Amino acid sequence: DQQVKQNSPSLSVQEGRISILNCDYTNSMFDYFLWYKKYPAEGPTFLISISSIKDKNEDGRFTVFLNKSAKHLSLHIVPSQPGDSAVYFCAASALGGTYKYIFGTGTRLKV
Amino acid sequence: DAGVIQSPRHEVTEMGQEVTLRCKPISGHDYLFWYRQTMMRGLELLIYFNNNVPIDDSGMPEDRFSAKMPNASFSTLKIQPSEPRDSAVYFCASSKGADMVAFFGQGTRLTVV
Repeated sequence: DQQVKQNSPSLSVQEGRISILNCDYTNSMFDYFLWYKKYPAEGPTFLISISSIKDKNEDGRFTVFLNKSAKHLSLHIVPSQPGDSAVYFCAASALGGTYKYIFGTGTRLKV
Repeated sequence: DAGVIQSPRHEVTEMGQEVTLRCKPISGHDYLFWYRQTMMRGLELLIYFNNNVPIDDSGMPEDRFSAKMPNASFSTLKIQPSEPRDSAVYFCASSKGADMVAFFGQGTRLTVV
């Protein structure tokens, strides 16, 4: 059973426009969320994170939004650039000692 | 720091053979994770260690899979015997617990024919 779901396997966006990648989770114990970016033949690299005490976190062109009641998070990239083309994974973890990351299946973004 | 180092980068083996994947975590990191990437399941956690001790191996698919971490700077993932359905990219990642961000190696692409 997928506890972290990325229902859009792919997304195509024009350069300069906004990219919105979505992620849903089912486990209410998750309280820390991360986004990773992955280029072909490379390992995933950390992009941005958010803890459950916040509903928004920004880092340059990247913003992550968290809606705890809906168990939903999203990553916004503004403006999108060709170099953003990659697979994006969201991941969730429950603090309290486990430090276990559960990843979604990824969304392939093409700019 | 060189980051998480995995070897080999590519492995092609015949069904039934033993396969050993290797990982050197980032120095000072106390958590080590093994993931498998497939199209259907994305990044799937197989096992993770804390201070060289296996904490959760519930993601290990079968008894054919085993992982060890004999010291803080080395871990192995072994598949014996290997099967074609084990073909995937296997990633090792490490983190410093309190930082909550895992750093990944470049992965080992395993092909079992």
